[in-house]
Amino acid sequence: AQKVTQAQTEISVVEKEDVTLDCVYETRDTTYYLFWYKQPPSGELVFLIRRNSFDEQNEISGRYSWNFQKSTSSFNFTITASQVVDSAVYFCALSEAGANNLFFGTGTRLTVIP
Amino acid sequence: DARVTQTPRHKVTEMGQEVTMRCQPILGHNTVFWYRQTMMQGLELLAYFRNRAPLDDSGMPKDRFSAEMPDATLATLKIQPSEPRDSAVYFCASGLTWGGSGDEQFFGPGTRLTVL
Repeated sequence: AQKVTQAQTEISVVEKEDVTLDCVYETRDTTYYLFWYKQPPSGELVFLIRRNSFDEQNEISGRYSWNFQKSTSSFNFTITASQVVDSAVYFCALSEAGANNLFFGTGTRLTVIP
Repeated sequence: DARVTQTPRHKVTEMGQEVTMRCQPILGHNTVFWYRQTMMQGLELLAYFRNRAPLDDSGMPKDRFSAEMPDATLATLKIQPSEPRDSAVYFCASGLTWGGSGDEQFFGPGTRLTVL
């Protein structure tokens, strides 16, 4: 069975600090996809990134970076030099091969204090 | 800037009333999803369609919920009769899938439903 665990329920950081959001997943499939979504206070879910299980290269996009490690079944998300606008709930999600639906973690609420 | 749209954004109704939520997927997307978000259960999939055909609605209470796609530009989710435990935010998402998986889903702003 598939499962996504985001153990950090809430995190608070001071602006300009770096912060890492953890995501651990479980799946029996060898082909799967991992996602991060951001849900700002407005409520909309915003797509951030998708990785497939065969691509373990880390990715950087501006202040965002992602560390995918199959050995530990983790797909962690780091925000460098955090800003107040980064305050949101961040969801990690998993999709297995042949399925289109996303299994979401419970989310991590990030608060960036000015 | 293509977006998924949902109406209404907010709905307050009384128990027993019928509720209809509508979604317009991004033009050209062939997959549509309905999710429900509550504090207790988080985000859970209710149903999804590909090329307007329902593929999975196992997450939906069949006795009161129904989902349809009358055409490629409209998806509906109905609750009849509504109950207080249906209070949640309902999200529609769309994506472009070529028979595989792993494509990103683009979410609408959600419909916040309150059943009194």
